[in-house]
Amino acid sequence: DAGVIQSPRHEVTEMGQEVTLRCKPISGHDYLFWYRQTMMRGLELLIYFNNNVPIDDSGMPEDRFSAKMPNASFSTLKIQPSEPRDSAVYFCASKGGGNEKLFFGSGTQLSVL
Amino acid sequence: GDSVTQMEGPVTLSEEAFLTINCTYTATGYPSLFWYVQYPGEGLQLLLKATKADDKGSNKGFEATYRKETTSFHLEKGSVQVSDSAVYFCALSPVSGGSNYKLTFGKGTLLTVNP
Repeated sequence: DAGVIQSPRHEVTEMGQEVTLRCKPISGHDYLFWYRQTMMRGLELLIYFNNNVPIDDSGMPEDRFSAKMPNASFSTLKIQPSEPRDSAVYFCASKGGGNEKLFFGSGTQLSVL
Repeated sequence: GDSVTQMEGPVTLSEEAFLTINCTYTATGYPSLFWYVQYPGEGLQLLLKATKADDKGSNKGFEATYRKETTSFHLEKGSVQVSDSAVYFCALSPVSGGSNYKLTFGKGTLLTVNP
């Protein structure tokens, strides 16, 4: 298996622009997680899905952030409009039911200028 | 709510030195405990885990013991290598074997091992 695949690896955008981050989980995994990593706050859980349904989005910072999972093999995290304070590394992770081990993607480094 | 506190870094050691990274947690019930490792430019990888009190997780020479009486899960390695240089995260899952899942991470500890 190719593992969790995220795209793009790097994204540089200007304040006010829309940003879309993409994730393909490992085939057969039924949980998908979006995390944000910054120096100040460490690793924060933004939202997670089970069987494509959002279970807990309490970590989503504000309405500018939204996440979807239209099918078992694809998820997006969208920021609209983006702000410089959104600059961070965004990780997607997945896990198979019954196994507590998380598999992380390589992350998307987002820079908002 | 649940929380994980780990020692602040960075930690710098010479090759073959002994490593300890402290981790304590706050949680209700009986959580599962984990150490994840993040190598430069990569996502996190599970290093080891323990699911109940007094369990010892081990992998690649690293060990950690689940101590419920002190709510701790300290990471140790007897002889570090340059290739161990990475960021180490302590984490907990609220209920062992539960159907809902929300992993809480510590802030991470940067380890640098010099030759």
